[in-house]
Amino acid sequence: LAKTTQPISMDSYEGQEVNITCSHNNIATNDYITWYQQFPSQGPRFIIQGYKTKVTNEVASLFIPADRKSSTLSLPRVSLSDTAVYYCLVGEPYNAGNMLTFGGGTRLMVKP
Amino acid sequence: SAVISQKPSRDICQRGTSLTIQCQVDSQVTMMFWYRQQPGQSLTLIATANQGSEATYESGFVIDKFPISRPNLTFSTLTVSNMSPEDSSIYLCSVVAGTGELFFGEGSRLTVL
Repeated sequence: LAKTTQPISMDSYEGQEVNITCSHNNIATNDYITWYQQFPSQGPRFIIQGYKTKVTNEVASLFIPADRKSSTLSLPRVSLSDTAVYYCLVGEPYNAGNMLTFGGGTRLMVKP
Repeated sequence: SAVISQKPSRDICQRGTSLTIQCQVDSQVTMMFWYRQQPGQSLTLIATANQGSEATYESGFVIDKFPISRPNLTFSTLTVSNMSPEDSSIYLCSVVAGTGELFFGEGSRLTVL
């Protein structure tokens, strides 16, 4: 399984755009990249998933370069409520037991 | 999507005792997963629970310590046996959708004294 590496922590201010990068040098052809958000005392929650180029939803954008060895989660205009831990996972989404390993995550602190 | 309920949400336990955590899902699922999250740490997969077969445990986790039941397609239990303070963690139940998206319960926070 592809191992992921993320920064341990990041600080930002309200209203700024935040970009969190995840490295996955050993990503396999069939692997997708999925990001989760976890607030204190809650289970992780799905944010976004992608395979290549760019994916955007109402919450975030995911940028994946052509070599797919990294990906960047972009949160536009963060607010205090975006303070959370963000996890990047890599694996085959249609192979149920294949995308289960959480890396260290990035602890994002949004300041007023 | 899937809605997952866990009980208890939190508990304080004495060393040497055992506690069973229940996980109920609002739809039928083939695979259920149990994770442990130690204070300030990431999630670690304990085991995969399939209905009708024995659970599959990850390296470092054994059935005697974490017995799991999976009596039907919507329910599972995880027991933390002979607890020590090192078992103080949040235990999370999870299921996977066809798209690979994981859904989690709110977790069960155990404190072992």
